[in-house]
Amino acid sequence: EADIYQTPRYLVIGTGKKITLECSQTMGHDKMYWYQQDPGMELHLIHYSYGVNSTEKGDLSSESTVSRIRTEHFPLTLESARPSHTSQYLCASSESGRANQPQHFGDGTRLSIL
Amino acid sequence: DAKTTQPPSMDCAEGRAANLPCNHSTISGNEYVYWYRQIHSQGPQYIIHGLKNNETNEMASLIITEDRKSSTLILPHATLRDTAVYYCIVSPLYLIADKLIFGTGTRLQVFP
Repeated sequence: EADIYQTPRYLVIGTGKKITLECSQTMGHDKMYWYQQDPGMELHLIHYSYGVNSTEKGDLSSESTVSRIRTEHFPLTLESARPSHTSQYLCASSESGRANQPQHFGDGTRLSIL
Repeated sequence: DAKTTQPPSMDCAEGRAANLPCNHSTISGNEYVYWYRQIHSQGPQYIIHGLKNNETNEMASLIITEDRKSSTLILPHATLRDTAVYYCIVSPLYLIADKLIFGTGTRLQVFP
């Protein structure tokens, strides 16, 4: 099973702050993903990456940005947080090479913007 | 992409088999069926996936009908720790980003 870590686990912060949510995986997976999930609601893909220097927007529009400078690291940044960004953010990764490899998820960052 | 339909909630007694149904009547020939679950406050956990043959692993069994329009996830001996939301997802073969589209899932409650 993939080891994938997200920090912080919880974050409460004021409006206008710059926030970076960290995601790291130790399995050497090329593909990584960010999902957003409101309480009791569906997961929505907001960003994904095929590998280093590759980033793509997902199905749900998001004001966040991502970078992929190293295989194991896929941080998500909000330049100026707003209350509408309050949500849970889930990071996942999967192997490439063979199609349809399952995605392995971290435990998420629960973000609250005051 | 094919959509899935799942009952919103189910109950199961501890120690019994939990059978979670999923309809995917518009599935196409190259789409796999995936099952994930999400325990409260955690990230989704992969359970199993298959194309047309039945599959079994240490967590569960996946039964796919011959016409592939529906499937059933079977937890053979449910425990209290299996209480979670279970998601049935279909995803095309060779989709570049292997994007998963999560629906609302089935909330399984296992009771003592």
